[in-house]
Amino acid sequence: EVQLVESGGGLVKPGGSLRLSCAASGFTFSSYSMNWVRQAPGKGLEWVSSISSSSSYIYYADSVKGRFTISRDNAKNSLYLQMNSLRAEDTAVYYCAREPPYPGRHFDYWGQGTLVTVSS
Amino acid sequence: QSVLTQPPSVSGAPGQRVTISCTGSSSNIGAGYDVHWYQQLPGTAPKLLIYGNSNRPSGVPDRFSGSKSGTSASLAITGLQAEDEADYYCQSYDSSLSGLYVFGTGTKVTVL
Repeated sequence: EVQLVESGGGLVKPGGSLRLSCAASGFTFSSYSMNWVRQAPGKGLEWVSSISSSSSYIYYADSVKGRFTISRDNAKNSLYLQMNSLRAEDTAVYYCAREPPYPGRHFDYWGQGTLVTVSS
Repeated sequence: QSVLTQPPSVSGAPGQRVTISCTGSSSNIGAGYDVHWYQQLPGTAPKLLIYGNSNRPSGVPDRFSGSKSGTSASLAITGLQAEDEADYYCQSYDSSLSGLYVFGTGTKVTVL
């Protein structure tokens, strides 16, 4: 059974940093691209970042470019999101999501999410 | 920010058919990229409902169907059931410089 479990969320002050993790199991993690998608309270879904299976290709939404860094450790079956210079508008539930192989470009499994609150 | 437009809400009585539209542009749906749909039940993570415009993952009832034409796509729910009350989002790839994947604005389906 595919499982994605996020952790690392919490309350952080504006300008602060936080590192999210996503532990994957039930599939060959190293064969899949992975993504982070967020959802602000009461709002819709927003794609945040994507990383290819071998970390060769990395993409970010304009809203987080230069502040967030996605990475992965295939040996540990884990995905990460380092978030720096956090702003109030980054407050959201952050989901990790698996992207199936080509043609892919969608998300077939999602974690339960971890809440990040940016507030003073 | 969403670049795919959906109606904020649709409603129907049990057993009825409802449709949700998803309108994009020449950099996403109109460029030929596939449209995918997700269902988000209250308080839960999104779940893949339709992929590749019209394909259902294993376990998704055939009451759900998708289609795409031009710069738009649609999700249809036939034989509406109480458990279908949820938020629905479309999603596609976008070739503009502002990002990789885009979501729709979301539609709340209410079963009357």
